[in-house]
Amino acid sequence: KAGVTQTPRYLIKTRGQQVTLSCSPISGHRSVSWYQQTPGQGLQFLFEYFSETQRNKGNFPGRFSGRQFSNSRSEMNVSTLELGDSALYLCASSPVPQMNTEAFFGQGTRLTVV
Amino acid sequence: SQQGEEDPQALSIQEGENATMNCSYKTSINNLQWYRQNSGRGLVHLILIRSNEREKHSGRLRVTLDTSKKSSSLLITASRAADTASYFCAALEYGNKLVFGAGTILRVKS
Repeated sequence: KAGVTQTPRYLIKTRGQQVTLSCSPISGHRSVSWYQQTPGQGLQFLFEYFSETQRNKGNFPGRFSGRQFSNSRSEMNVSTLELGDSALYLCASSPVPQMNTEAFFGQGTRLTVV
Repeated sequence: SQQGEEDPQALSIQEGENATMNCSYKTSINNLQWYRQNSGRGLVHLILIRSNEREKHSGRLRVTLDTSKKSSSLLITASRAADTASYFCAALEYGNKLVFGAGTILRVKS
């Protein structure tokens, strides 16, 4: 069974631009969560989607948004990029919204904003 | 920051020794999970302990949970060089949000 796939793996963008990251969950998994990892703030929850609906959202500005498609693939978008948005963005999938099940993480997309 | 705390921040041990990492969290939880991360790559799930459990084992891993103290510990026995990685605890808060600790960097010297 293929794991969680995130594309692209690396990305360099300029301040003010926008970016879209993609996550394909494990086949059959319907819940997708996104996390931002930075050296200063560590791993922080961005949002969770289940059946195309955002169920939870972390404390991030409105520049961060996401969506989930009917095939459970998810995208997150960051508009008006700032230098502080440079981070490793991780996507995790689980069969259902995380209850007593583990989350399976992708390898991440490393975004650098210059 | 949403994070719980982990200690130590870094741990360096010899191969064959045991490594213990501690984690504290802030709110009521559904379960607590431990993950490993190698060199800024994706996280790998190690073990999950439910809020009504006190101890759990998986291979060389032993996890304890004390909900009265809002704390957990991860013990890796007979460590190997391949265990060198960052280890994170993650508390699943009600509302299905995983809140990660700051992580412990473990270095196992051969």
